[in-house]
This record gives sequence, C-alpha cells and structure tokens, in this order.
Amino acid sequence: AQSVTQPDIHITVSEGASLELRCNYSYGATPYLFWYVQSPGQGLQLLLKYFSGDTLVQGIKGFEAEFKRSQSSFNLRKPSVHWSDAAEYFCAVGAQGMRFGAGTRLTVKP
Amino acid sequence: DTEVTQTPKHLVMGMTNKKSLKCEQHMGHRAMYWYKQKAKKPPELMFVYSYEKLSINESVPSRFSPECPNSSLLNLHLHALQPEDSALYLCASSLRGLRAYQAGNTIYFGEGSWLTVV
Repeated sequence: AQSVTQPDIHITVSEGASLELRCNYSYGATPYLFWYVQSPGQGLQLLLKYFSGDTLVQGIKGFEAEFKRSQSSFNLRKPSVHWSDAAEYFCAVGAQGMRFGAGTRLTVKP
Repeated sequence: DTEVTQTPKHLVMGMTNKKSLKCEQHMGHRAMYWYKQKAKKPPELMFVYSYEKLSINESVPSRFSPECPNSSLLNLHLHALQPEDSALYLCASSLRGLRAYQAGNTIYFGEGSWLTVV
C-alpha cells in the first residue's frame, strides 16, 4: 500500500533561516505526492503537488519540493522562513482518498 | 476558485442527540470525502463518494452515516456519538472520481467542523 513517513515530529527554525521538511514515500511506481499546511484551528491548504515530469516543483508561499526517486523522498524546502509559516505540515500520497503522514510541526523563533 | 464550504463550524452535542454536518462545493467536482482529525494527528479518511456513490467506507462505526444528495452536497449524519468522537471533521472534494485517481487527483479541503460530544 502507498504510504508516506515524516521522520520529524517537531522542527524549530529561526526567522529568515532556511527550512527543509522531510518526507519519505513507500510505493513501487511513481507516486502522486502532495504537501499541505494546516494553521491552528484551520483546514488544510495545498502547498504543492508532484505527479510527473520535472522533479523540482514550485508551490505557493515560496515553498518548493524535490522528488528523488533514488531516495524515495519528497522533501519540502523554503529558503527563508517567515513567522507566519509556523504551522503543521503534512506530506500525503494520492492513494484512494489521500493518505497523510504524521505531520511535522514547525515553530519559528524570532 | 477552490472552495469547499462546511457548516456548522462548531457543534456541541449530547450522546443521545442526532445532528448533521454539511458540506457543499460548486466546482463541479465528482468526488467528495469526509475525514476525521484528532488533535495533533493527521486527518484520517472516513468515507469517499465518487460520482455520488459511496466508494470507500473505512470501517467507520454506524453511528456516522454519510449521505450524498447530489454532486454538490455531502452530509454526515451523527447519532449516539461518544465523547471520543470529538474531533475536527474535514470535508474535501476532487475534480475526478476515484476511478481516475491515477491521473493525479488533487483534493481540496474545507475549513472543517469542530465537533464536541458531551
């Protein structure tokens, strides 16, 4: 079955620093991969998605992610974090109905 | 415009009550979903309707009863719930039905309905 794993439960970065959130997938063929963000008390907002083609995908809010088949990874990156980026981030695989990783909580220090 | 609207935003109900959560989308999407999300946990899939037919039921207790009156509406009927059912219930939709999911089915979420069972 398709699944994703987010190894980091909680990450703290300073404002202005770079960010990388890890996501590993388990699937034999090319998966359909997504990153969502959830602010406290809110629903989920789609940041970006990968289906095929260019392995570096650009998303909203300055985020990007790179699909690496050799490492079974789809890590999310941002060159300079803003305080408003503090939220929960979910990696997901587009299986029947979308399956989510456990999430990574991002804290941004001033 | 990718908008999924859920009502009510907050609901408090007793264990003997009957209530419903409602979800609406007018994007022409053909699949609609219910997810349950407990605090500090990822969303868990409950039900999927594809082309207005129930396609997936993730072994959800019968006290949760979904209904899809038409392609734009999705309800979740609640009866005899337990306190542990308190959670954020998220509705979502996607353009294609599930039989086309391999083509890349992006799911768009509503803001959720916060349910408290007392």
